Amino acid sequence: SAVISQKPSRDICQRGTSLTIQCQVDSQVTMMFWYRQQPGQSLTLIATANQGSEATYESGFVIDKFPISRPNLTFSTLTVSNMSPEDSSIYLCSVSPGVTDTQYFGPGTRLTVL
Amino acid sequence: AQRVTQPEKLLSVFKGAPVELKCNYSYSGSPELFWYVQYSRQRLQLLLRHISRESIKGFTADLNKGETSFHLKKPFAQEEDSAMYYCALRSNDYKLSFGAGTTVTVRA
Repeated sequence: SAVISQKPSRDICQRGTSLTIQCQVDSQVTMMFWYRQQPGQSLTLIATANQGSEATYESGFVIDKFPISRPNLTFSTLTVSNMSPEDSSIYLCSVSPGVTDTQYFGPGTRLTVL
Repeated sequence: AQRVTQPEKLLSVFKGAPVELKCNYSYSGSPELFWYVQYSRQRLQLLLRHISRESIKGFTADLNKGETSFHLKKPFAQEEDSAMYYCALRSNDYKLSFGAGTTVTVRA
């Protein structure tokens, strides 16, 4: 299994600002994903982070709000832009070493927007 | 579009009693089903994958394509099984869709 770390683990931010969350994996992986878990809700896929190209966003999520980078096979970032209180959630990075492998999850970043 | 339904938000059982968590799905293709578990203050982790057909921590789950179900079962619950359980479906494009989750509390 892959070992995944996320930074920061939590943050409290003011509305209108942006936060960049980092996801680091201890080995090269094929697939990287970003999820959101709103308070009391299940996990919702935001986008698939593609290495060397633009991320693939799910319905309801746009690049201007959630820009994603993936410069290599072990690292990705998710930015939450122009934040509002509705963006208060846990943001999770997940990876699959190979396309058909199990997805492993990072510890999450707990974001609170005031 | 795929959908995963976990009808029970909360489930409380006594230690030693059987526990069953329900999961139903809808998907037009050939699904791959998973159970993930999140213990208190820990990250989400894989519990079972239907293609593995194995028992983990005493839990089993069988994919029933006729009933489109993937229920999770354990014959004798333990206090350490108290956690949040998520059923998930992976579609042909390798994306996971999660159910709403079931919080299990095992009482002594």
